[in-house]
Amino acid sequence: EAAVTQSPRNKVTVTGGNVTLSCRQTNSHNYMYWYRQDTGHGLRLIHYSYGAGNLQIGDVPDGYKATRTTQEDFFLLLELASPSQTSLYFCASSDAEGYEQYFGPGTRLTVL
Amino acid sequence: QQQVRQSPQSLTVWEGETAILNCSYEDSTFNYFPWYQQFPGEGPALLISIRSVSDKKEDGRFTIFFNKREKKLSLHITDSQPGDSATYFCAASDQGGRALIFGTGTTVSVSP
Repeated sequence: EAAVTQSPRNKVTVTGGNVTLSCRQTNSHNYMYWYRQDTGHGLRLIHYSYGAGNLQIGDVPDGYKATRTTQEDFFLLLELASPSQTSLYFCASSDAEGYEQYFGPGTRLTVL
Repeated sequence: QQQVRQSPQSLTVWEGETAILNCSYEDSTFNYFPWYQQFPGEGPALLISIRSVSDKKEDGRFTIFFNKREKKLSLHITDSQPGDSATYFCAASDQGGRALIFGTGTTVSVSP
């Protein structure tokens, strides 16, 4: 049974559009992460959180907001989507910072 | 600046051969090095990990060799199988307040 789930799995939007990506984990982990994966860049950290209401800035945060509403749920928000944000987005969770992370199946976002 | 580097970017081996994936890092405070395996259409999953107090970690056909002095490590896949065809990410952490830092990945293709 998948412990990290993401929705939607695929999303197409237009430039300037509003997008929310959702992530839920049932691992009872404190930490949750949002990454983007692009060819040649590997996994790049956008935002992460160590608990409900907390948000930490990652390495590539520009153009993204995130919100952690509960221990289980972490959302990534693109309020004015741009074509440069076309990517594969992964959510992950871990028990502690810098420890083993468990990844979701990913959301493929296309911004036209 | 890429703190975790991987080479080669891609690698093709014949079934039964040994695939060698390389990783190097910059920060001498890193002490935990997990390797993740990612199949197309899926999220990365932890394959094997090593801590800096060890110089070798083995799990079946997968072995990590670690050289702390040179800040290098490698993943050896012995008796490679077509099912090992995937992208492999090296990551690093100091487990003291930073999220995992991922390399750009090595895509391995095993030909039967």
